[in-house]
Amino acid sequence: GQQLNQSPQSMFIQEGEDVSMNCTSSSIFNTWLWYKQEPGEGPVLLIALYKAGELTSNGRLTAQFGITRKDSFLNISASIPSDVGIYFCAGGETSGSRLTFGEGTQLTVNP
Amino acid sequence: DAGITQSPRHKVTETGTPVTLRCHQTENHRYMYWYRQDPGHGLRLIHYSYGVKDTDKGEVSDGYSVSRSKTEDFLLTLESATSSQTSVYFCAIRSGQLANYGYTFGSGTRLTVV
Repeated sequence: GQQLNQSPQSMFIQEGEDVSMNCTSSSIFNTWLWYKQEPGEGPVLLIALYKAGELTSNGRLTAQFGITRKDSFLNISASIPSDVGIYFCAGGETSGSRLTFGEGTQLTVNP
Repeated sequence: DAGITQSPRHKVTETGTPVTLRCHQTENHRYMYWYRQDPGHGLRLIHYSYGVKDTDKGEVSDGYSVSRSKTEDFLLTLESATSSQTSVYFCAIRSGQLANYGYTFGSGTRLTVV
């Protein structure tokens, strides 16, 4: 099946720093989604991207749909302690039957 | 709230015993999914359902079975639990016309097989 390579696997940063993570695939996706999971909870959708080249923001979060449709990036600006969690990318195909998830990036923010 | 609940939230069971996890939705959505989450593996699809009595296998379906006798409930059964099935299990519903519009996840069930 399709696989998504998400990097980095983990990040340890200081409060106020900017964060960048990405996902790449050997296959084309028509949708890229980014989720955040906090401890003890299920993942929650942050941003959805539907068009190659699209750049979308949600507060301090910005995500981009790669022009090749094989990658996506998520940036978090001016990180705060509540940004702590696991961030997952997910790719969706045209048929829309199901999503493929990356392995996640564990983010730790030190106050 | 998304209207999806999982039960139990935590369970400890012995090797070889059967275990059933329940996912309940109040949204009347057609598609439901079961994932397991393990360190280093992210979210892996076990089984999914596209309607009452309509189910299909995911990438890690061995050792698991599912049933969907009514729209609101999707059950995951471990017929004979093994230690390798110790994991956190998440149920999800598809809220849009296509999966491209994202899933809504439950809060998870932490299962420990001893």
